[in-house]
Amino acid sequence: QQQVKQSPQSLIVQKGGIPIINCAYENTAFDYFPWYQQFPGKGPALLIAIRPDVSEKKEGRFTISFNKSAKQFSLHIMDSQPGDSATYFCAACYAGGTSYGKLTFGQGTILTVHP
Amino acid sequence: ETGVTQTPRHLVMGMTNKKSLKCEQHLGHNAMYWYKQSAKKPLELMFVYNFKEQTENNSVPSRFSPECPNSSHLFLHLHTLQPEDSALYLCASSQDWVPYNEQFFGPGTRLTVL
Repeated sequence: QQQVKQSPQSLIVQKGGIPIINCAYENTAFDYFPWYQQFPGKGPALLIAIRPDVSEKKEGRFTISFNKSAKQFSLHIMDSQPGDSATYFCAACYAGGTSYGKLTFGQGTILTVHP
Repeated sequence: ETGVTQTPRHLVMGMTNKKSLKCEQHLGHNAMYWYKQSAKKPLELMFVYNFKEQTENNSVPSRFSPECPNSSHLFLHLHTLQPEDSALYLCASSQDWVPYNEQFFGPGTRLTVL
């Protein structure tokens, strides 16, 4: 029940395309959903995050869509650029119980944006 | 140095060796974390320290021994590891052990156990 399932494992798009990465969770107690971006040789870095009281959040070219009833959330990258090529991780956590504050990560999606 | 630094960046060790990984954060944070990142698997939280006190041990084998002498430094002592322990070990920090605080990650130590 603590799992976060992420898909696809890898994704290839052309420059300007809109890659979409999906995550699904089971634990309805989760109330914080961040996305992390990781470049080769670097640690993950927070990209954007959402709380379940909103259905969408935009920061620049990055948008999170959140569907509470379906227990799914997704990352959309508008006008993707080769510099967006990286591994993307979704995560979830909540402020209660024995899992207090622990981030549960998805398996990661390797995104390649061709010029 | 800025952010979170980790040394060494690469480490190769035999199963009978003892080695240590070092993490230092220059962000004035109070919480520090160790994660294990294996290929095609989710990041696994190993340990959490908040104000130098260990608050989480995520069922990690005793061959991994963390140490947090102060809020800026975190060590992971390794002994009698197994080949399946080969992975990228990431250190992270946050303002404190609150769920919604952003975690800042270091670049990791790539560990190979022969």
